[in-house]
Amino acid sequence: LAKTTQPISMDSYEGQEVNITCSHNNIATNDYITWYQQFPSQGPRFIIQGYKTKVTNEVASLFIPADRKSSTLSLPRVSLSDTAVYYCLVGFAGSSNTGKLIFGQGTTLQVKP
Amino acid sequence: DAMVIQNPRYQVTQFGKPVTLSCSQTLNHNVMYWYQQKSSQAPKLLFHYYDKDFNNEADTPDNFQSRRPNTSFCFLDIRSPGLGDAAMYLCATSRGGVLSNQPQHFGDGTRLSIL
Repeated sequence: LAKTTQPISMDSYEGQEVNITCSHNNIATNDYITWYQQFPSQGPRFIIQGYKTKVTNEVASLFIPADRKSSTLSLPRVSLSDTAVYYCLVGFAGSSNTGKLIFGQGTTLQVKP
Repeated sequence: DAMVIQNPRYQVTQFGKPVTLSCSQTLNHNVMYWYQQKSSQAPKLLFHYYDKDFNNEADTPDNFQSRRPNTSFCFLDIRSPGLGDAAMYLCATSRGGVLSNQPQHFGDGTRLSIL
């Protein structure tokens, strides 16, 4: 059964690095992992996407081990404005070119001064 | 700026009274999605259009319908809203389909209240 699991909440302090892990045991060979950030009363915003190993952009890094059964979003030096809910999204390929998008339940990150 | 726009941001309707939510996009993406998001929960995919092809999720109630008259616009129709349908409804677009792994661009949602 396709499932995506994340911690419900995390606390951090300004300036620290935050790592949020998502497990996706049944990810299919060709599926990517995508992370989104959501503030209250707004739609999710794309952060980063990866397939394997490591991906880095101007705001985050994404680490994916060789077995791809989990992934870790890394936010360097968080600030108060990074307080938000973070979702991982995995597309699980089905049969006959069908697919299913599965969001994790979201991790509420609280950054403290 | 290219974007996904949802109107209205807040919608109030009466129990059982049909309601339509709107979404427009200037990204010229071929896929448009509708999600339902309840408080403190992840977005739940209701259905999506790949161009004109409609793809319904297996567990989406028949009460929810959608129309996509052209590339830019997509509508969510709730035929007989119940109290359990109160939620944020999110529209999203992407360049490719579910298996294309193209990032989705979300609107800011319409919060629906049922009286």
